Amino acid sequence: GQNIDQPTEMTATEGAIVQINCTYQTSGFNGLFWYQQHAGEAPTFLSYNVLDGLEEKGRFSSFLSRSKGYSYLLLKELQMKDSASYLCAVVSGSARQLTFGSGTQLTVLP
Amino acid sequence: EPEVTQTPSHQVTQMGQEVILRCVPISNHLYFYWYRQILGQKVEFLVSFYNNEISEKSEIFDDQFSVERPDGSNFTLKIRSTKLEDSAMYFCASSEPGGIYNEQFFGPGTRLTVL
Repeated sequence: GQNIDQPTEMTATEGAIVQINCTYQTSGFNGLFWYQQHAGEAPTFLSYNVLDGLEEKGRFSSFLSRSKGYSYLLLKELQMKDSASYLCAVVSGSARQLTFGSGTQLTVLP
Repeated sequence: EPEVTQTPSHQVTQMGQEVILRCVPISNHLYFYWYRQILGQKVEFLVSFYNNEISEKSEIFDDQFSVERPDGSNFTLKIRSTKLEDSAMYFCASSEPGGIYNEQFFGPGTRLTVL
């Protein structure tokens, strides 16, 4: 079976750093994506990890440990527009389909 | 920048009616997907399509659902007899062939409301 866990909600202050964790147990693993989703909109790509370690893209970084079934998304210099849901998604299956977690709703306060 | 498009943006239908949701994937992509998201819940995989046939489908994708690529550009999801619980946002996605890294690009979604 597939199981992906993320915290439901997080709150942080503008300018701060926040780390959103994701743990997974899946049958098959071909990488892990982080997507951002604003209410009523489509998920948009943030990062992809397939090997262990840290991937950095501007204000966003993502880390993966395959042996621990663990990933995190790090957001630095938070801005109000970063208030959104952050989705952890594991790639698996022959068609490389995505299995999503329930998402973490991040609220950035002034 | 190329993008996935979906029509309509919002579809309202009566229970028991058939609906067809349309998607135009990015032109050089070969893998196509449908996902759905019931309000307040997580995004769920429905079906993947490659080389003119279904490659994987989830338990949600029962006999009421079908997909088709009727021409070189469109990718459609048909629900034969809609139920109240089919009300959701339906996202189409596509990705390039091959390689380790194949980001799925999502369309803006079709909000389906079944009354």
